[in-house]
Amino acid sequence: DVKVTQSSRYLVKRTGEKVFLECVQDMDHENMFWYRQDPGLGLRLIYFSYDVKMKEKGDIPEGYSVSREKKERFSLILESASTNQTSMYLCASSATNYGYTFGSGTRLTVV
Amino acid sequence: QQQVKQSPQSLIVQKGGIPIINCAYENTAFDYFPWYQQFPGKGPALLIAIRPDVSEKKEGRFTISFNKSAKQFSLHIMDSQPGDSATYFCAASFGINNNDMRFGAGTRLTVKP
Repeated sequence: DVKVTQSSRYLVKRTGEKVFLECVQDMDHENMFWYRQDPGLGLRLIYFSYDVKMKEKGDIPEGYSVSREKKERFSLILESASTNQTSMYLCASSATNYGYTFGSGTRLTVV
Repeated sequence: QQQVKQSPQSLIVQKGGIPIINCAYENTAFDYFPWYQQFPGKGPALLIAIRPDVSEKKEGRFTISFNKSAKQFSLHIMDSQPGDSATYFCAASFGINNNDMRFGAGTRLTVKP
Protein backbone atom coordinates (compact mmCIF):
# COMPACT_ATOMS: atom_id res chain seq x y z
CA ASP A 1 0.00 0.00 0.00
CA VAL A 2 1.48 3.32 -1.08
CA LYS A 3 2.07 5.80 1.67
CA VAL A 4 2.83 9.32 2.71
CA THR A 5 4.11 9.21 6.26
CA GLN A 6 4.25 12.19 8.58
CA SER A 7 6.54 11.62 11.51
CA SER A 8 4.33 13.02 14.26
CA ARG A 9 0.56 12.92 14.76
CA TYR A 10 0.58 15.49 17.57
CA LEU A 11 3.13 18.10 18.58
CA VAL A 12 3.13 20.76 21.27
CA LYS A 13 5.79 23.43 20.97
CA ARG A 14 6.56 26.69 22.70
CA THR A 15 6.45 30.10 21.07
CA GLY A 16 9.79 30.92 19.48
CA GLU A 17 10.93 27.32 19.06
CA LYS A 18 12.21 26.05 15.73
CA VAL A 19 9.93 23.24 14.62
CA PHE A 20 10.58 20.52 12.05
CA LEU A 21 7.76 18.55 10.45
CA GLU A 22 8.92 15.57 8.45
CA CYS A 23 7.22 13.84 5.54
CA VAL A 24 8.31 10.75 3.64
CA GLN A 25 6.67 9.12 0.60
CA ASP A 26 7.40 5.71 -0.85
CA MET A 27 5.84 6.18 -4.29
CA ASP A 28 8.79 7.78 -6.09
CA HIS A 29 6.63 10.86 -6.73
CA GLU A 30 8.22 13.96 -8.18
CA ASN A 31 5.94 16.45 -6.50
CA MET A 32 5.49 17.07 -2.79
CA PHE A 33 3.40 19.63 -0.96
CA TRP A 34 2.78 21.10 2.47
CA TYR A 35 -0.67 22.40 3.37
CA ARG A 36 -2.23 23.68 6.53
CA GLN A 37 -5.85 22.95 7.29
CA ASP A 38 -7.95 25.27 9.40
CA PRO A 39 -11.72 25.13 10.00
CA GLY A 40 -13.66 27.11 7.43
CA LEU A 41 -10.56 27.83 5.38
CA GLY A 42 -9.98 24.46 3.77
CA LEU A 43 -6.48 23.54 2.72
CA ARG A 44 -4.00 26.30 2.06
CA LEU A 45 -0.73 25.64 0.26
CA ILE A 46 2.41 26.63 2.13
CA TYR A 47 5.20 25.32 -0.11
CA PHE A 48 5.65 22.72 -2.80
CA SER A 49 8.54 21.02 -4.53
CA TYR A 50 8.64 19.41 -7.95
CA ASP A 51 12.17 18.05 -7.71
CA VAL A 52 14.99 17.46 -5.28
CA LYS A 53 16.42 20.72 -3.94
CA MET A 54 13.66 22.66 -5.72
CA LYS A 55 10.99 24.57 -3.84
CA GLU A 56 8.23 27.00 -4.68
CA LYS A 57 6.17 29.25 -2.43
CA GLY A 58 2.49 28.60 -2.10
CA ASP A 59 -0.18 30.98 -0.87
CA ILE A 60 0.98 31.34 2.75
CA PRO A 61 4.77 30.82 2.95
CA GLU A 62 5.47 33.50 5.56
CA GLY A 63 7.02 32.06 8.70
CA TYR A 64 7.83 28.75 7.03
CA SER A 65 10.65 27.22 5.04
CA VAL A 66 11.16 23.81 3.48
CA SER A 67 13.90 21.38 2.62
CA ARG A 68 14.03 18.61 0.06
CA GLU A 69 17.43 16.94 0.06
CA LYS A 70 16.10 13.56 -1.13
CA LYS A 71 13.24 12.75 -3.48
CA GLU A 72 11.26 10.87 -0.87
CA ARG A 73 11.54 13.41 1.96
CA PHE A 74 10.08 16.90 2.27
CA SER A 75 10.48 18.81 5.51
CA LEU A 76 8.54 21.84 6.72
CA ILE A 77 10.36 24.18 9.08
CA LEU A 78 8.79 26.77 11.33
CA GLU A 79 11.67 29.11 11.96
CA SER A 80 10.20 30.66 15.12
CA ALA A 81 6.87 29.11 16.04
CA SER A 82 4.01 31.45 16.87
CA THR A 83 0.54 30.77 18.26
CA ASN A 84 -1.08 31.61 14.91
CA GLN A 85 0.74 28.63 13.44
CA THR A 86 -1.32 26.27 15.57
CA SER A 87 -2.98 24.13 12.93
CA MET A 88 -3.25 20.77 11.21
CA TYR A 89 -0.38 20.32 8.75
CA LEU A 90 -0.83 17.97 5.82
CA CYS A 91 1.87 16.67 3.52
CA ALA A 92 0.98 15.32 0.08
CA SER A 93 2.75 13.90 -2.93
CA SER A 94 1.76 13.33 -6.53
CA ALA A 95 3.06 11.95 -9.76
CA THR A 96 2.72 14.04 -12.88
CA ASN A 97 -0.90 14.54 -13.92
CA TYR A 98 -2.47 12.60 -11.06
CA GLY A 99 -4.26 13.43 -7.84
CA TYR A 100 -2.56 13.90 -4.53
CA THR A 101 -1.87 11.31 -1.84
CA PHE A 102 -2.01 12.86 1.62
CA GLY A 103 -0.44 11.87 4.89
CA SER A 104 -2.52 11.58 8.05
CA GLY A 105 -1.50 15.02 9.22
CA THR A 106 0.35 16.55 12.16
CA ARG A 107 -1.70 18.55 14.62
CA LEU A 108 0.64 21.24 15.91
CA THR A 109 -0.17 23.31 18.98
CA VAL A 110 2.04 26.30 19.76
CA VAL A 111 1.71 27.53 23.34
CA GLN B 1 -7.89 34.56 -2.90
CA GLN B 2 -10.39 31.69 -2.87
CA GLN B 3 -10.48 30.38 -6.40
CA VAL B 4 -12.78 27.47 -5.57
CA LYS B 5 -15.97 28.19 -3.64
CA GLN B 6 -17.71 25.24 -2.01
CA SER B 7 -21.18 24.96 -0.52
CA PRO B 8 -22.80 24.08 1.76
CA GLN B 9 -20.47 24.24 4.74
CA SER B 10 -22.35 21.38 6.40
CA LEU B 11 -25.04 18.97 5.35
CA ILE B 12 -27.20 16.45 7.19
CA VAL B 13 -29.17 13.77 5.35
CA GLN B 14 -30.98 10.58 6.24
CA LYS B 15 -29.62 7.22 5.21
CA GLY B 16 -30.53 6.56 1.58
CA GLY B 17 -30.71 10.26 0.74
CA ILE B 18 -28.69 11.93 -2.03
CA PRO B 19 -26.47 14.68 -0.67
CA ILE B 20 -25.22 17.16 -3.23
CA ILE B 21 -22.16 19.33 -2.71
CA ASN B 22 -21.48 22.18 -5.08
CA CYS B 23 -18.33 23.95 -6.16
CA ALA B 24 -17.67 26.93 -8.40
CA TYR B 25 -14.36 28.02 -9.81
CA GLU B 26 -13.00 31.17 -11.39
CA ASN B 27 -9.91 30.23 -13.35
CA THR B 28 -10.84 28.86 -16.78
CA ALA B 29 -7.37 27.34 -17.07
CA PHE B 30 -8.30 24.67 -14.51
CA ASP B 31 -8.46 21.29 -16.21
CA TYR B 32 -8.56 18.75 -13.40
CA PHE B 33 -11.30 18.65 -10.77
CA PRO B 34 -10.92 16.09 -7.96
CA TRP B 35 -12.98 15.43 -4.87
CA TYR B 36 -11.38 14.34 -1.63
CA GLN B 37 -12.95 12.59 1.34
CA GLN B 38 -11.55 13.09 4.82
CA PHE B 39 -12.44 11.11 7.93
CA PRO B 40 -11.58 12.46 11.40
CA GLY B 41 -7.93 11.96 12.23
CA LYS B 42 -7.02 11.10 8.66
CA GLY B 43 -5.66 12.99 5.71
CA PRO B 44 -7.91 13.64 2.68
CA ALA B 45 -8.15 10.74 0.23
CA LEU B 46 -8.86 11.07 -3.47
CA LEU B 47 -12.43 9.96 -4.10
CA ILE B 48 -13.18 10.74 -7.74
CA ALA B 49 -11.95 13.23 -10.34
CA ILE B 50 -13.08 14.63 -13.66
CA ARG B 51 -11.57 16.52 -16.57
CA PRO B 52 -13.56 19.12 -18.53
CA ASP B 53 -13.96 17.03 -21.67
CA VAL B 54 -16.85 15.12 -20.04
CA SER B 55 -19.96 16.34 -18.24
CA GLU B 56 -20.39 13.46 -15.82
CA LYS B 57 -18.36 10.73 -14.19
CA LYS B 58 -19.60 7.90 -11.99
CA GLU B 59 -17.66 5.65 -9.67
CA GLY B 60 -19.87 3.40 -7.61
CA ARG B 61 -22.30 5.56 -5.63
CA PHE B 62 -20.34 8.77 -6.30
CA THR B 63 -21.03 10.99 -9.32
CA ILE B 64 -19.42 14.23 -10.44
CA SER B 65 -21.50 16.53 -12.62
CA PHE B 66 -19.52 19.17 -14.49
CA ASN B 67 -20.83 22.33 -16.18
CA LYS B 68 -17.99 24.00 -18.04
CA SER B 69 -19.95 27.03 -19.22
CA ALA B 70 -21.15 27.80 -15.68
CA LYS B 71 -17.75 26.95 -14.18
CA GLN B 72 -19.42 24.68 -11.65
CA PHE B 73 -19.14 21.07 -10.61
CA SER B 74 -20.88 19.00 -8.00
CA LEU B 75 -20.63 15.73 -6.12
CA HIS B 76 -23.68 13.51 -5.70
CA ILE B 77 -23.70 10.54 -3.34
CA MET B 78 -26.37 8.01 -4.21
CA ASP B 79 -27.97 5.86 -1.48
CA SER B 80 -25.88 7.57 1.20
CA GLN B 81 -24.78 5.54 4.20
CA PRO B 82 -23.66 6.51 7.74
CA GLY B 83 -20.16 5.42 6.71
CA ASP B 84 -20.14 8.27 4.17
CA SER B 85 -20.14 10.77 7.03
CA ALA B 86 -16.95 12.74 6.46
CA THR B 87 -15.67 16.08 5.25
CA TYR B 88 -15.58 16.47 1.49
CA PHE B 89 -13.31 18.85 -0.37
CA CYS B 90 -13.53 19.84 -4.00
CA ALA B 91 -10.41 21.04 -5.75
CA ALA B 92 -9.19 22.32 -9.10
CA SER B 93 -5.82 22.47 -10.76
CA PHE B 94 -4.18 22.82 -14.13
CA GLY B 95 -1.01 21.84 -15.85
CA ILE B 96 0.67 18.49 -16.15
CA ASN B 97 2.15 18.61 -12.66
CA ASN B 98 -1.02 19.77 -10.88
CA ASN B 99 1.28 21.94 -8.80
CA ASP B 100 -1.22 24.64 -8.12
CA MET B 101 -4.23 22.76 -6.81
CA ARG B 102 -6.84 24.96 -5.14
CA PHE B 103 -9.17 23.50 -2.56
CA GLY B 104 -12.64 24.47 -1.48
CA ALA B 105 -13.32 25.14 2.19
CA GLY B 106 -14.90 21.73 2.74
CA THR B 107 -18.35 20.32 3.50
CA ARG B 108 -19.02 18.31 6.63
CA LEU B 109 -21.53 15.62 5.71
CA THR B 110 -23.50 13.70 8.32
CA VAL B 111 -25.63 10.76 7.23
CA LYS B 112 -28.10 9.77 9.94
CA PRO B 113 -29.10 6.12 10.31
